[in-house]
Amino acid sequence: RKEVEQDPGPFNVPEGATVAFNCTYSNSASQSFFWYRQDCRKEPKLLMSVYSSGNEDGRFTAQLNRASQYISLLIRDSKLSDSATYLCVVTWGSGNTGKLIFGQGTTLQVKP
Amino acid sequence: ETGVTQSPTHLIKTRGQQVTLRCSSQSGHNTVSWYQQALGQGPQFIFQYYREEENGRGNFPPRFSGLQFPNYSSELNVNALELDDSALYLCASSLGTGSYGYTFGSGTRLTVV
Repeated sequence: RKEVEQDPGPFNVPEGATVAFNCTYSNSASQSFFWYRQDCRKEPKLLMSVYSSGNEDGRFTAQLNRASQYISLLIRDSKLSDSATYLCVVTWGSGNTGKLIFGQGTTLQVKP
Repeated sequence: ETGVTQSPTHLIKTRGQQVTLRCSSQSGHNTVSWYQQALGQGPQFIFQYYREEENGRGNFPPRFSGLQFPNYSSELNVNALELDDSALYLCASSLGTGSYGYTFGSGTRLTVV
């Protein structure tokens, strides 16, 4: 079983749609959780951290369920500029060894 | 405040050769991690350096080695290059364990022929 699993997609949605991405992780000792965005042939960029209480940043909402080891990202009112690959990321390690474990990424294509 | 910079941006090497990739961490960050991203995959952790010491390593053979310098910049060295080493190599810096996220450089795209 992969340490972090995502549906690779692609998700093809029209502008204005709401789309949800899911992610599961295998290590219950995972400490921090993030969603990163990666545009084609570019580096990953932090989209948002994910907290147990859930958190929202504009059109983006992230949720974490530690009991189910499940993370989600909801994008409302999709824009053309949201087209990218979304990477689910967890960290685990003790002391200063918080390495990032990436999922395969979910590709989103927003169409006019 | 400068971000993470990597050099070179692109590189073509022949199988069996050695390569050194360089990374300057973001100002104030003392931890540097290296990742390998093959086409269509998520980045895979290679190793991490904290205050010049390696303090975490992924499932990569010993021919992948690194250094971190007193100014927290870092190098990734790969010996005896293989075709499967062709990938985007990403450097990420953070403060401590990265609980507040990591900043990535734009990567070095290595092609082994």
